[in-house]
Amino acid sequence: GDSVTQMEGPVTLSEEAFLTINCTYTATGYPSLFWYVQYPGEGLQLLLKATKADDKGSNKGFEATYRKETTSFHLEKGSVQVSDSAVYFCALSDQGEGAQKLVFGQGTRLTINP
Amino acid sequence: EAGVAQSPRYKIIEKRQSVAFWCNPISGHATLYWYQQILGQGPKLLIQFQNNGVVDDSQLPKDRFSAERLKGVDSTLKIQPAKLEDSAVYLCASSLTKTQYFGPGTRLLVL
Repeated sequence: GDSVTQMEGPVTLSEEAFLTINCTYTATGYPSLFWYVQYPGEGLQLLLKATKADDKGSNKGFEATYRKETTSFHLEKGSVQVSDSAVYFCALSDQGEGAQKLVFGQGTRLTINP
Repeated sequence: EAGVAQSPRYKIIEKRQSVAFWCNPISGHATLYWYQQILGQGPKLLIQFQNNGVVDDSQLPKDRFSAERLKGVDSTLKIQPAKLEDSAVYLCASSLTKTQYFGPGTRLLVL
């Protein structure tokens, strides 16, 4: 079945550091790919998405590119802030019309120190 | 636009007791999902509704879990009887197309 693997956490960085959180997937066909973020005490929020190969999703300074050849969707940010501290989840949904369930990775906890 | 609403936010029960969670999706969203998120893991789908019909309940432990969405709007998830391993956050999400919007979740602790 479909699966998502994220880099092990927790990840701790200093403010203004470069961030990469690795995500690879296994799926039949061409799934849609997502990054969700969960801030402390809050629900999951969509951060960005990409629906086909070579698409780049971006939001709030974060970027991720859908790489079909390496089945990856790594999350990057050039300069992190303390407010980026959260748990980040990579997820996929199958291709097909309409709504599809999400398959999530295990999450990566990110802590940014001032 | 109001988001996905869930209640209660927290619940503590003893094993073998029953518990119910409620979810009200974003207005107009035909698809509603219930996910279980165990501590340290990503959410796992329990059940997906399209209007008031079940699309996918393959990972719902049907001997103890049940869910309904009778009028195609709000939904209730029930556990009866609860086990220790049911301790988790129960997330409700809704969608119009592929993007899902999540509620704040209900944190359940089974003692």
